[in-house]
Amino acid sequence: AQKVTQAQTEISVVEKEDVTLDCVYETRDTTYYLFWYKQPPSGELVFLIRRNSFDEQNEISGRYSWNFQKSTSSFNFTITASQVVDSAVYFCALSEEGSGYSTLTFGKGTMLLVSP
Amino acid sequence: SQTIHQWPATLVQPVGSPLSLECTVEGTSNPNLYWYRQAAGRGLQLLFYSVGIGQISSEVPQNLSASRPQDRQFILSSKKLLLSDSGFYLCAWSVAGGAGETQYFGPGTRLLVL
Repeated sequence: AQKVTQAQTEISVVEKEDVTLDCVYETRDTTYYLFWYKQPPSGELVFLIRRNSFDEQNEISGRYSWNFQKSTSSFNFTITASQVVDSAVYFCALSEEGSGYSTLTFGKGTMLLVSP
Repeated sequence: SQTIHQWPATLVQPVGSPLSLECTVEGTSNPNLYWYRQAAGRGLQLLFYSVGIGQISSEVPQNLSASRPQDRQFILSSKKLLLSDSGFYLCAWSVAGGAGETQYFGPGTRLLVL
């Protein structure tokens, strides 16, 4: 069965620090998809990135970067030079090809608090 | 562009009362639609998903039900609310297709059952 573990429940940093959010997944499928979502205090989940299991290239988008390593079943998310607006709960999620439809298994989320 | 709406934004209901939450999507056709609940502790639980009008699949047995009367409308209902139904309800849509399609979420409905 698929599983996503976000071991960090809460992280507190000071503005401008770099921070990495960990995500470890379990799946039996060879084809799968990984996602990161951001949930600010307003509650809406905001899509950040989607990755398929055949694309291990790291990705950078502004201050955000993602490190996908199949060897360790990890898909970690780094925020460089964090800002107060980055404060939110971040979810990692997994979708397996074998499920036949786009259902997501979410981790429990990591709450990031960025203080000025 | 596509947008997803949910209403109401906030709802306070007594135990035993009925419930109807609505979700509509604009700017796309034949989407897959999903209902999630987020209770205390932040975890997201998939409740229902739909791949077409009148096609509903339930992931978790409970006193909730879902319906899809129109292509871009998804409704979450209950005949009698329980205290445990309190939570944050999120609707999402994705392009119709197999696994891996990105889900886009609505603003959510906060439900408090007293």
